[in-house]
Amino acid sequence: GAVVSQHPSWVICKSGTSVKIECRSLDFQATTMFWYRQFPKQSLMLMATSNEGSKATYEQGVEKDKFLINHASLTLSTLTVTSAHPEDSSFYICSARGTSGWYEQYFGPGTRLTVT
Amino acid sequence: GQNIDQPTEMTATEGAIVQINCTYQTSGFNGLFWYQQHAGEAPTFLSYNVLDGLEEKGRFSSFLSRSKGYSYLLLKELQMKDSASYLCAVRDLDRDDKIIFGKGTRLHILP
Repeated sequence: GAVVSQHPSWVICKSGTSVKIECRSLDFQATTMFWYRQFPKQSLMLMATSNEGSKATYEQGVEKDKFLINHASLTLSTLTVTSAHPEDSSFYICSARGTSGWYEQYFGPGTRLTVT
Repeated sequence: GQNIDQPTEMTATEGAIVQINCTYQTSGFNGLFWYQQHAGEAPTFLSYNVLDGLEEKGRFSSFLSRSKGYSYLLLKELQMKDSASYLCAVRDLDRDDKIIFGKGTRLHILP
């Protein structure tokens, strides 16, 4: 089956620093990748959608200058949280949709970000 | 717009059957998903319905009624490992075919 990896699986950073999270599709080409954020005991909130080679589209209320998304290839998308603050501490999950037209989105294992 | 409603929490007994309901309102419906999510982990795919009817897969079944904007996930022969959150999600053509999640239902299984 299709596999999506995320790196790192967890990260602790100081307030004001930036953190980059990578999302890779390991055995398929992902034309579209999605970034979600999940706070404790809440559901997944879609942050942005990225298509390979084009700018990401952000959901309402998500600051594009704070959450930088790059989808440079068909197997890699990155999310950079700039000038992180404690309120950015969350579980960040990416998912990828392949080129085959299959309906399913494949989810990565998630990255736990803690900002101190 | 889009609105997905499901109960916040449910409790059931090991070995029993539980039904988790989901209602949705969306203008460009293109399929409904159920995902299972254990605490601290990413969601795992359970089922997908795009046509009316029941889809059965082992102990799990999912039902869809497009005219009513309604789905349910049925879990049979409950096991302790089924304690998790169950997320109802809808794919919306009017939102670039994105998958949007409901708030999830936390299911507690009692021995």
